[in-house]
Amino acid sequence: AQTVTQSQPEMSVQEAETVTLSCTYDTSESDYYLFWYKQPPSRQMILVIRQEAYKQQNATENRFSVNFQKAAKSFSLKISDSQLGDAAMYFCALRMIKAAGNKLTFGGGTRVLVKP
Amino acid sequence: DAGVTQSPTHLIKTRGQHVTLRCSPISGHKSVSWYQQVLGQGPQFIFQYYEKEERGRGNFPDRFSARQFPNYSSELNVNALLLGDSALYLCASSLVGQGTYNEQFFGPGTRLTVL
Repeated sequence: AQTVTQSQPEMSVQEAETVTLSCTYDTSESDYYLFWYKQPPSRQMILVIRQEAYKQQNATENRFSVNFQKAAKSFSLKISDSQLGDAAMYFCALRMIKAAGNKLTFGGGTRVLVKP
Repeated sequence: DAGVTQSPTHLIKTRGQHVTLRCSPISGHKSVSWYQQVLGQGPQFIFQYYEKEERGRGNFPDRFSARQFPNYSSELNVNALLLGDSALYLCASSLVGQGTYNEQFFGPGTRLTVL
C-alpha cells in the first residue's frame, strides 16, 4: 500500500515571497508519478505540477517547482513570487505506473494563506 | 469545451436513505474515477471505471457501488447512508485508464450532507 504525508497543515506567505510545502511518501515500487494539486475554495481540483520518478531533473511550471528526492521519498513544492490567487489547499498525490488503473493516493493537504 | 460536470451540486439526505451522484466526463475521455473528500482531509479513492468496466476499488464498504454507461458517464450510488458519508464527492476523468501518464481532470464535486 502507498501512503502520502503532508506534515504542514497550514503555511502563510507574504505576497511576492516564496513558500515551500513538504510531502513525504512511501511505496515499495520504483515506477510512479508524483503530483501537486491545488484546490481553491471553489473546490475544483487543479493539477499544478507532476514529476515522473524515473526523471532526475526536477519539474518546473512557471512559478512552481519541485524538489524531488527519490531516495528520501520526499517531494516538496516551491511557490515563488506568491500571488493572492495562490491561496488554496495544496495536495500531494502519488500514482503507480504499473498498477491496473490510475488511482491517486493523496496526502492530507496544506492550506496556503497569502498575505497582501 | 466543457470540463467534467457533476450533479447535483449539493444534496441533503437523512440516515438510511439512498443517494445517486452523477458525473459526465470530458468529451473523448473513457475513464472515470470517484473520490470521497471528508472535510479537512485529502480525497480518498473509491472507484475507477474504464471502458465500462471496474478497474479499481478503494477500501469502501459494499454500500458504495458505481457504474459507467455507454456514453462514459458514471453514477455513484451509496445505500443505507451514515453520518460519516457526509463529504465532497469528486469525479475525475481521463483519456485512458492506466499505463503511461494521462492527466486526470476533476469536476467541481457534489457536497453530500447526511443528517
